[in-house]
Amino acid sequence: QQQVKQSPQSLIVQKGGISIINCAYENTAFDYFPWYQQFPGKGPALLIAIRPDVSEKKEGRFTISFNKSAKQFSLHIMDSQPGDSATYFCAASINGATNKLIFGTGTLLAVQP
Amino acid sequence: GAVVSQHPSRVICKSGTSVKIECRSLDFQATTMFWYRQFPKQSLMLMATSNEGSKATYEQGVEKDKFLINHASLTLSTLTVTSAHPEDSSFYICSAGILEYNEQFFGPGTRLTVL
Repeated sequence: QQQVKQSPQSLIVQKGGISIINCAYENTAFDYFPWYQQFPGKGPALLIAIRPDVSEKKEGRFTISFNKSAKQFSLHIMDSQPGDSATYFCAASINGATNKLIFGTGTLLAVQP
Repeated sequence: GAVVSQHPSRVICKSGTSVKIECRSLDFQATTMFWYRQFPKQSLMLMATSNEGSKATYEQGVEKDKFLINHASLTLSTLTVTSAHPEDSSFYICSAGILEYNEQFFGPGTRLTVL
């Protein structure tokens, strides 16, 4: 119940295209869903996050879509650029207790020029 | 945004020695710090959660006597890998947060290589 399932494992997108990464969870107590971007040899950096009271959040080229009934959320990267090539992790946590993040397995994105 | 630093960024040590990694929140006071390890091409695995002034809470399967965590202040936590062995070689990442908020801010990571 604590798992967050992420797909696809890897993704190749042409420059200017849309990258879509999906995550699904079981625990309905989760109330915070962040996405992290990680470059090789670096720590993860928070990209964008959403709480279950909204269905979509957009920040620049990055959008999270959230479907509470389906217990799914996804990251959309519009106008993908080679500089977006990185590993992306979704995560989920429950506010207040320990704020432990449960991470997805990661998606390696390659944006081809 | 909030900045978290780690030191050292890279360390190579001999088998049997102990290694200390520092994690600092530079511009905020962190009530909670987390320690993760990450193997190549894998996700982050939470090792332990530490709150300032109290004992760390270790995840199942993590040896607390091997991975010593000290959270002496609201801006500093340390992870000591005792009697390191080659299988402890990994990328260790800390994060810091404030209990009232979900956000965690990650450090740049420490690459540990045990020969």
